Amino acid sequence: SSELTQDPAVSVALGQTVRITCQGDSLRNYYANWYQQKPGQAPLLVFYGKTNRPSGIPDRFSGSSSGITASLTITGAQAEDEADFYCISRDRSGIVLFGGGTRLTVL
Amino acid sequence: EVQLVESGGGLVQPGESLKISCAGSGFSFGDSSMHWVRQASGKGLEWIGRIKTKTNKYATIYAASMKDRVTISRDDSKNMAYLQLNSLTTEDTAVYFCANSLSAVIDSWGQGTLVTVSS
Repeated sequence: SSELTQDPAVSVALGQTVRITCQGDSLRNYYANWYQQKPGQAPLLVFYGKTNRPSGIPDRFSGSSSGITASLTITGAQAEDEADFYCISRDRSGIVLFGGGTRLTVL
Repeated sequence: EVQLVESGGGLVQPGESLKISCAGSGFSFGDSSMHWVRQASGKGLEWIGRIKTKTNKYATIYAASMKDRVTISRDDSKNMAYLQLNSLTTEDTAVYFCANSLSAVIDSWGQGTLVTVSS
């Protein structure tokens, strides 16, 4: 399959830890990249590869991967983390695959 | 600071064509693959395609759903990337983003330009 599957919505209590997952066969061979998108804004890269967090992204954002599942973990979620999160990867031909997005609500 | 600025969106009629531009600055444009992604209102992100660098012979690849109607090009002398959209339908109404690729699959994004297809 060339698809990436995400849960449509996830919620977390303020200050707690939340994991956002992404599943797809391509993740056996390629790492997921994770993007945060707030309303009316462009997506923002928050984690990519095995261990890479772009400059300026808080260290409460981390990523992991096992088999066909990639995860973005937010440890100590803040109100400003409320957003849509997308995973993307690629297949062998270079086609870029997008997950459907997960809406994170911080309660 | 990386900047990507799209332009050329607007209102077009069904069946028409449109060429959207993307101006890049603050990074080595010629060393960066360039992508186009779109997002319909209230919907998720949809990848359109990508053009590689001169070193990689400006190779392009497109999403299967759009490859018959789109062309991505670039002019490194102007730090510009372009998206040509043909035979537009109302389903092509969306915000169109350009994005670059240096380290991650996609690194930075422009703010997008709105294309509205309507009669």
